[in-house]
Amino acid sequence: AQSVTQLDSQVPVFEEAPVELRCNYSSSVSVYLFWYVQYPNQGLQLLLKYLSGSTLVESINGFEAEFNKSQTSFHLRKPSVHISDTAEYFCAVSNTGGFKTIFGAGTRLFVKA
Amino acid sequence: DTGVSQNPRHKITKRGQNVTFRCDPISEHNRLYWYRQTLGQGPEFLTYFQNEAQLEKSRLLSDRFSAERPKGSFSTLEIQRTEQGDSAMYLCASSQGGREHSFEQFFGPGTRLTVL
Repeated sequence: AQSVTQLDSQVPVFEEAPVELRCNYSSSVSVYLFWYVQYPNQGLQLLLKYLSGSTLVESINGFEAEFNKSQTSFHLRKPSVHISDTAEYFCAVSNTGGFKTIFGAGTRLFVKA
Repeated sequence: DTGVSQNPRHKITKRGQNVTFRCDPISEHNRLYWYRQTLGQGPEFLTYFQNEAQLEKSRLLSDRFSAERPKGSFSTLEIQRTEQGDSAMYLCASSQGGREHSFEQFFGPGTRLTVL
């Protein structure tokens, strides 16, 4: 069985500060890893994904995540956040068949001016 | 608009009643998923279709829940004899299969169910 743990339920941070949202997973098989974001009053949308290859993956809006197999982690980072990054972020893992996706409980990022 | 749509957006029902939700996926997507999300939690996987075939069901999906995807197009999720514990947001997502499409799931806005 697979599981995902997001270690922080809420992360308040000031604008232009760096942020890290932590995610750990457990699985006995190879997995794919994802970060989804849900902006206020919007549906879930994919932020970035790791399938294979380079362990560092990036999104178009400056977020990055690094797959660490030995620590079974996939933490999400951004060097300088904006007010518009305020949202709930979900880490997710799926088997390599790609259909059963397990989500973490989410981390609410609140960026303050 | 070619996104995933769900109807109704909100449903209030009395305990013991049956409810049915509809999901219309993105037209070229052959995979369709149902999730349930409660307050403070991430989406919980319920079931998955590839075309019209239901290939996986979570143990969360009791025998009161049934999902169909006739002809591999839209899908319905029915809950019979609703209970207050069924109150949640029900999310539908779709994706194209195959590694080349990177397993990205596109989510609908959800149907919020309240059981009184």
